[in-house]
Amino acid sequence: GAGVSQSPSNKVTEKGKDVELRCDPISGHTALYWYRQSLGQGLEFLIYFQGNSAPDKSGLPSDRFSAERTGGSVSTLTIQRTQQEDSAVYLCASSPFLESPLHFGNGTRLTVT
Amino acid sequence: SQQGEEDPQALSIQEGENATMNCSYKTSINNLQWYRQNSGRGLVHLILIRSNEREKHSGRLRVTLDTSKKSSSLLITASRAADTASYFCATDAGRAGANNLFFGTGTRLTVIP
Repeated sequence: GAGVSQSPSNKVTEKGKDVELRCDPISGHTALYWYRQSLGQGLEFLIYFQGNSAPDKSGLPSDRFSAERTGGSVSTLTIQRTQQEDSAVYLCASSPFLESPLHFGNGTRLTVT
Repeated sequence: SQQGEEDPQALSIQEGENATMNCSYKTSINNLQWYRQNSGRGLVHLILIRSNEREKHSGRLRVTLDTSKKSSSLLITASRAADTASYFCATDAGRAGANNLFFGTGTRLTVIP
């Protein structure tokens, strides 16, 4: 069965450019999460969706970061005017219902040069 | 911040030995989860323990939870080289309906064949 799919798996971009990261959750999973993981570090919570709405956007680092989810399925994380400190692995996860374990994708490794 | 802290940051053991990792957190929780991450991959859920449980087993894994001390431990018995990975604890915010998970900084386990 299909797991959580993220694309692209790797992205190299120049400082100042915008990037879009995509997440396809497991079919039927209502909750979707974005995390950021810097090299050798833990996971930093960014945003969480329940259906198409985002009850908690508290983790977004700045107004350059935004995320949307449409049709209760695919989500995109957009980073505008990328900075070198945005370089990290961006992980997406989904879960079927509240308090259930998360299923993670393999992440998108973003490098800002 | 609700983020948990794992201890130790790194652990190196011989194959066959037991590995114990600890997690401390800051606020009340509904449940605590442990995840494993192989290098370059997403996280994989291992076990979930609810706040009213004190101990849980799954195969070679044993998890304990002490809510009075706000701490948990993960024991891997009879370790194998394939157990080499980073291990993270994750906690919720303890509010009904809240489903964003906060991850600790991880323990890097190396099992030497």
